[in-house]
Amino acid sequence: EAEVAQSPRYKITEKSQAVAFWCDPISGHATLYWYRQILGQGPELLVQFQDESVVDDSQLPKDRFSAERLKGVDSTLKIQPAELGDSAMYLCASSLARLTGELFFGEGSRLTVL
Amino acid sequence: QKEVEQDPGPLSVPEGAIVSLNCTYSNSAFQYFMWYRQYSRKGPELLMYTYSSGNKEDGRFTAQVDKSSKYISLFIRDSQPSDSATYLCAMKDFGNEKLTFGTGTRLTIIP
Repeated sequence: EAEVAQSPRYKITEKSQAVAFWCDPISGHATLYWYRQILGQGPELLVQFQDESVVDDSQLPKDRFSAERLKGVDSTLKIQPAELGDSAMYLCASSLARLTGELFFGEGSRLTVL
Repeated sequence: QKEVEQDPGPLSVPEGAIVSLNCTYSNSAFQYFMWYRQYSRKGPELLMYTYSSGNKEDGRFTAQVDKSSKYISLFIRDSQPSDSATYLCAMKDFGNEKLTFGTGTRLTIIP
């Protein structure tokens, strides 16, 4: 069964360091999302791509976060510098059909900032 | 006030019981309603999907949407220990791809 691949699964870093997360969506899924889930809360959208173009990055803290999907397939989310409040699960999701909300999530990358 | 409200629980019920999970929302433009299940340390997986009002049944799971009350529910019949997870409601309006999630309800089924 096709899955969304994410790495690393776990990342521990010190504040002010740079971190990067990688996501490979399900083949053929043109829409890719990065969500952040703080412990005990629901996921919140950071950025949405349609192919290689950003559709929505209104909730992305652009002073320290960046995201790219250069060839419209896999994607990287970067944080520089990391802050204590960035500790969370970073979830990547993809979808085949637009506008339906049927997202397929990866297992997530859990970030701990010390 | 959050757009989507969901009781975080935790909720513990004995095996075989009927479980009722629910969310309320304030945005009347929401048209698509989903329930995602999230096991510990895993990503959410889509469980149920409904459009507009009404009921949808899939095996032991039934999703209900009452748009007049801005209230959605998920019922689990004959609950099993494998149903122990966090259940997230999510919703969106037509033409907007952004999902708004509830905080999730943590459910434990006791054998």
